[in-house]
Amino acid sequence: NAGVTQTPKFRVLKTGQSMTLLCAQDMNHEYMYWYRQDPGMGLRLIHYSVGEGTTAKGEVPDGYNVSRLKKQNFLLGLESAAPSQTSVYFCASSDFNEQFFGPGTRLTVL
Amino acid sequence: DAKTTQPTSMDCAEGRAANLPCNHSTISGNEYVYWYRQIHSQGPQYIIHGLKNNETNEMASLIITEDRKSSTLILPHATLRDTAVYYCIVRFRPMETGANNLFFGTGTRLTVIP
Repeated sequence: NAGVTQTPKFRVLKTGQSMTLLCAQDMNHEYMYWYRQDPGMGLRLIHYSVGEGTTAKGEVPDGYNVSRLKKQNFLLGLESAAPSQTSVYFCASSDFNEQFFGPGTRLTVL
Repeated sequence: DAKTTQPTSMDCAEGRAANLPCNHSTISGNEYVYWYRQIHSQGPQYIIHGLKNNETNEMASLIITEDRKSSTLILPHATLRDTAVYYCIVRFRPMETGANNLFFGTGTRLTVIP
C-alpha cells in the first residue's frame, strides 16, 4: 500500500516550458487535491477533484490545468511555466476525514 | 471556513507535554477542528479532529472549549521527532459542502528541545 505518490520529485524548467506532475493514490479515494507551498507559508489549494472526470478551481488556479481521467490519478499541468510557479507541490487524496499527502515535487522555474 | 489564529512558534522540553493553542472565535456550529503537522519538507500529516467533545488518539489529545471558540492540541510526551509545524484548521466535513478542502495558515512551529 503505497498511499499517495508523486512524480517527479524534483524538476528544473526554463520560463515558457511545459510539464505535467503526476499524482497517484491506491486508497480508492474519491477526492484528490493539488497544493503549492512557497517558502515560509502554508499550503494553498490550486485545484481539486471530487471524483473521476471532475475538477474544480481552488484558491490559486491561474497558470495551472488539471485532469482526472482515472480515479487513482490526478495530473497537474503547467502550460507555460513562469518563475512565480517555483514552489513545492503537494498532492493529496482523502476520505471524509483525513487527507493523505504525497512527498511533494520541488519545482524550480528559471 | 472560519479563520484560525495560532502562535508563530513554541518550544517544549523533550518528554514534557506540548500544548498548542488555537483560536477560532468565528467557528460555526457544524464546523470541525482539524490538526495537521508538517515535518520539515514532508507532506502534512493528519493528527486529529473534533467537533465539540474532547478527542484522543494514539498521537495526541484535542481539547475544545465549551463555547468552541478555541482549542488546544496536546502531545503528551513530546519527542525530538515531534519538531514540526502544526496547523489548526476549521472546516466543514465534505458531506456538507461536497468537497473536503483544507485552508492552511502559517501554523505554529514547535521545537522540541533535548
